[in-house]
Amino acid sequence: EDKVVQSPLSLVVHEGDTVTLNCSYEVTNFRSLLWYKQEKKAPTFLFMLTSSGIEKKSGRLSSILDKKELFSILNITATQTGDSAVYLCAVLGADGLTFGKGTHLIIQP
Amino acid sequence: EAGVAQSPRYKIIEKRQSVAFWCNPISGHATLYWYQQILGQGPKLLIQFQNNGVVDDSQLPKDRFSAERLKGVDSTLKIQPAKLEDSAVYLCAGGGLLDTQYFGPGTRLTVL
Repeated sequence: EDKVVQSPLSLVVHEGDTVTLNCSYEVTNFRSLLWYKQEKKAPTFLFMLTSSGIEKKSGRLSSILDKKELFSILNITATQTGDSAVYLCAVLGADGLTFGKGTHLIIQP
Repeated sequence: EAGVAQSPRYKIIEKRQSVAFWCNPISGHATLYWYQQILGQGPKLLIQFQNNGVVDDSQLPKDRFSAERLKGVDSTLKIQPAKLEDSAVYLCAGGGLLDTQYFGPGTRLTVL
């Protein structure tokens, strides 16, 4: 059974701080790892990672995958209150798309 | 490009009643997924369709849940009869390029 573990489960920081969210996985026939942002609605797609060591970047968000150590990180620099959300990591493998429980990020003004 | 449409957005029923959810994915997306997301957890895949065929329904509680996608476009998910533990958000997603999935707004089900 595929597994995805995210840490921390919750995180409270101040505006302007940089945060790093972690995602580790055990999956059969790994195809890709995806990051989503979920506010009070359905998840919205952020990144898809398939190759190790290649950073994906979008504004203040960036992510990288390590297929040898089976983990990924999502970085958010200069955080803003609008970044407050649950960040979900999901891995596509033999069992389809398996989600972690998410990291609940709260950005305080 | 229109997004994934789901209805209803909210539904409250009593246990043992039946309920149905509808999803219309983005035009051209052959793959369609139904997920169940219980509060505080990540989405759990219930069923995956490729066009109108089922690819994976291993986690669908088939004694009470059913889903169909007869014409390979929109889909319905039914629960009959509902239990208290079915209270969750039911998400529909369409499969895009390179395995990305685009989610609809979800249906929040409360079973009393």
